[in-house]
Amino acid sequence: GESVGLHLPTLSVQEGDNSIINCAYSNSASDYFIWYKQESGKGPQFIIDIRSNMDKRQGQRVTVLLNKTVKHLSLQIAATQPGDSAVYFCAENKGTDKLIFGTGTRLQVFP
Amino acid sequence: DAGVTQSPTHLIKTRGQQVTLRCSPKSGHDTVSWYQQALGQGPQFIFQYYEEEERQRGNFPDRFSGHQFPNYSSELNVNALLLGDSALYLCASALTGMNEQFFGPGTRLTVL
Repeated sequence: GESVGLHLPTLSVQEGDNSIINCAYSNSASDYFIWYKQESGKGPQFIIDIRSNMDKRQGQRVTVLLNKTVKHLSLQIAATQPGDSAVYFCAENKGTDKLIFGTGTRLQVFP
Repeated sequence: DAGVTQSPTHLIKTRGQQVTLRCSPKSGHDTVSWYQQALGQGPQFIFQYYEEEERQRGNFPDRFSGHQFPNYSSELNVNALLLGDSALYLCASALTGMNEQFFGPGTRLTVL
């Protein structure tokens, strides 16, 4: 079946440290992967995406890595800030605009 | 430029009732998708509307239906509500051909 799962339900990091959130997917036909951030009481917010023909993409303080060999996706956040505290979801898109989400990882940033 | 808006923000219903949720897409977007997000879970795809027609559907029963209007806004209807329908209902809009979907704040539905 289709699934996008996450390894860790909760990640706690100290302010200023780097954060790494991991995600495993099972559908090798997916051609597009996205990371979303969801704060309490809000809808998911787009962070960064990557196509299946890439293995790395960088944004502002964020980097997404894609390893198709082991079907693994990761989100790296540099210099984590209190405002980064949220639930992070990876999602995959097989080109039909139907997003398949994982359960999510809660990122907690402490001073 | 207003983003995706949804109404109402919160709703309480009882089992067996019917509910209608509304969504206005981001300006310029023509595709609307609906997702159900249970507490502590990731959003689950319900269906997607484009050109006033349901283009694709997730694994949800026929109690879940929708509509898209000529101005691209959309409604989600759920009949014969069950306790398990309690969730955050999210609307996402996109421009056809573009991958990025923009989500609204959601409607929190509680079924008692």
